[in-house]
Amino acid sequence: QSVLTQPPSASGTPGQSVTISCSVSSSNIGSDYVYWYQQLPGTAPKLLIFRNDQRPSGVPDRFSGSKSGTSASLAISGLRSEDEADYYCAAWDDSLSGPYVFGTGTKITVL
Amino acid sequence: QLQLQESGPGLVKPSETLSLTCAVSGGFIGSSSYYWAWIRQSPGRGLEWIGSIYYSGSTFYNPSLKSRVTILVDTSKNQFSLKLRSVIAADTAVYFCARDTRILYAFDYWGQGTLATVSS
Repeated sequence: QSVLTQPPSASGTPGQSVTISCSVSSSNIGSDYVYWYQQLPGTAPKLLIFRNDQRPSGVPDRFSGSKSGTSASLAISGLRSEDEADYYCAAWDDSLSGPYVFGTGTKITVL
Repeated sequence: QLQLQESGPGLVKPSETLSLTCAVSGGFIGSSSYYWAWIRQSPGRGLEWIGSIYYSGSTFYNPSLKSRVTILVDTSKNQFSLKLRSVIAADTAVYFCARDTRILYAFDYWGQGTLATVSS
């Protein structure tokens, strides 16, 4: 099973930009797509980015995703206090029938 | 607005079966293009996809749990369920149900989660 590795933490001050990386350890990812989820404290994860760089309706354009080779990134611009959360990348491993693999997670702290 | 709500015992003894139900409201579980999933989260294992089911009953499971997991769907009650057999302490986690959209191949609606603790 593939492993998606993220840095455990990152931080920034309000208004700054922060970027989170997601490194794929295996080439068995069943599609070229990476997804990103935001988990606010005490809540369920929320879909933030799908298909590498697409935002669901209602997600601010301060959030942007990209992918190149076996690495993906989530960028947050104009950091706000409400962005303080855990962020997870994810992808389908081996095939689009699963398993779905989540990254190790990155805690974003707004200083 | 689609809503999902997990329910089930919060405490399960080791070697017994964990049973959870997810009630879906604001939408029909038999809609095409959607699967319905169980995902769990624990400090030790992070977020872990358990498996997904289609309204027809077609399922696919995480290979790491497949031998112990059964996911069922009840379209008449608009709900689906999870059974995890022979539980151990490492199965202690917050269990989420979610909509697995085959349009985006992502989980776009989630329940609030329910804590299941394995302990004697």
